[in-house]
Amino acid sequence: GIQVEQSPPDLILQEGANSTLRCNFSDSVNNLQWFHQNPWGQLINLFYIPSGTKQNGRLSATTVATERYSLLYISSSQTTDSGVYFCAVARGTSGSRLTFGEGTQLTVNP
Amino acid sequence: NAGVTQTPKFQVLKTGQSMTLQCAQDMNHNSMYWYRQDPGMGLRLIYYSASEGTTDKGEVPNGYNVSRLNKREFSLRLESAAPSQTSVYFCASSDVIVQLFFGEGSRLTVL
Repeated sequence: GIQVEQSPPDLILQEGANSTLRCNFSDSVNNLQWFHQNPWGQLINLFYIPSGTKQNGRLSATTVATERYSLLYISSSQTTDSGVYFCAVARGTSGSRLTFGEGTQLTVNP
Repeated sequence: NAGVTQTPKFQVLKTGQSMTLQCAQDMNHNSMYWYRQDPGMGLRLIYYSASEGTTDKGEVPNGYNVSRLNKREFSLRLESAAPSQTSVYFCASSDVIVQLFFGEGSRLTVL
């Protein structure tokens, strides 16, 4: 199956700092999603981004499918950004084949 | 708009007991999923239902059964719970572009 590697595994920031999270994958995909799991365990879908760039407020994501990576940018981080960020990929469009990375644990200190 | 609702949120079972996790979505999605999340293992797919009336095994189906009761509801049943099934269970649904939306999770402990 597809291998998904996320880096860094852990990241600690001061409030207001910017950060970049990376997701590398081992095969071509046409489904890629980013999720945020908050400290209470809730999983929120941030982006569906199999290619190109999207922005949503302080968050943006870029996927370069031909080079098999995706980046999640967080600007002007806030304490509410803390949690685990997961990347998930699949070859097909079917959600049944999504493979999740192990996540990046982000801690934003006040 | 409630999205995806799971019940119960917490459950403690003894080994060998049975239970059913309930999931309902109000987004008119065709596809629904059950995942489990364990420390160091990430999210793993147990079962999914691509549409009403169909179910298929995911990565870790052993010890579980599912029922797609109608378009809105997808339940997960543990017939004889084992300590290895201690986990956090997430239900999810998706639309045609397969963007996943998760419920709040159900924390299950099997003693």
